[in-house]
Amino acid sequence: SQTIHQWPATLVQPVGSPLSLECTVEGTSNPNLYWYRQAAGRGLQLLFYSVGIGQISSEVPQNLSASRPQDRQFILSSKKLLLSDSGFYLCAWSLGLAVNEQFFGPGTRLTVL
Amino acid sequence: GEDVEQSLFLSVREGDSSVINCTYTDSSSTYLYWYKQEPGAGLQLLTYIFSNMDMKQDQRLTVLLNKKDKHLSLRIADTQTGDSAIYFCAESRTNAGGTSYGKLTFGQGTILTVHP
Repeated sequence: SQTIHQWPATLVQPVGSPLSLECTVEGTSNPNLYWYRQAAGRGLQLLFYSVGIGQISSEVPQNLSASRPQDRQFILSSKKLLLSDSGFYLCAWSLGLAVNEQFFGPGTRLTVL
Repeated sequence: GEDVEQSLFLSVREGDSSVINCTYTDSSSTYLYWYKQEPGAGLQLLTYIFSNMDMKQDQRLTVLLNKKDKHLSLRIADTQTGDSAIYFCAESRTNAGGTSYGKLTFGQGTILTVHP
């Protein structure tokens, strides 16, 4: 069976510090991978998605970047965090089939102070 | 555009039916989804409907799709306190070959509160 992991679960960082959030998927190959941000516990905003190793599409201009160094690993990064980067970050995967069911990880709660 | 809109709050009594509504603007949407998010957790797919269907029923869940009005609804029968959560509708599109573009557009979510 497939599982998706995210870490850390919670993170408190000062403004201007770097960020690295990691997401890994087990039990599947060549998944589509996604990073979402959920601000104030509400709507989801798609930040990045990837259809393969090294292939990253950015949805919105922002202070963040993403990388996919391995097939089942997706990393969200920032060189200098802003207060507005606070939120709940969700990683998801899908098989890119016609029924694009996405499977979500448990999320990382990021607080920038 | 790819806007998906939902009502923000819904409060129901335990045992009653809940109806969560959603409107979307992209007429090329092929699949529409309902996801559930419990506090502090990721989203979980509840059900989905293909755009050429009007209705889909799965146990306590009934999805109705009015493609003309671009309106989607989720009805939960016999709502329980465990149904309290945020419910998101989402849409996706596929190309002519049936491959998903790989993106879902989510609504803002409806907070369902079930009280005894």
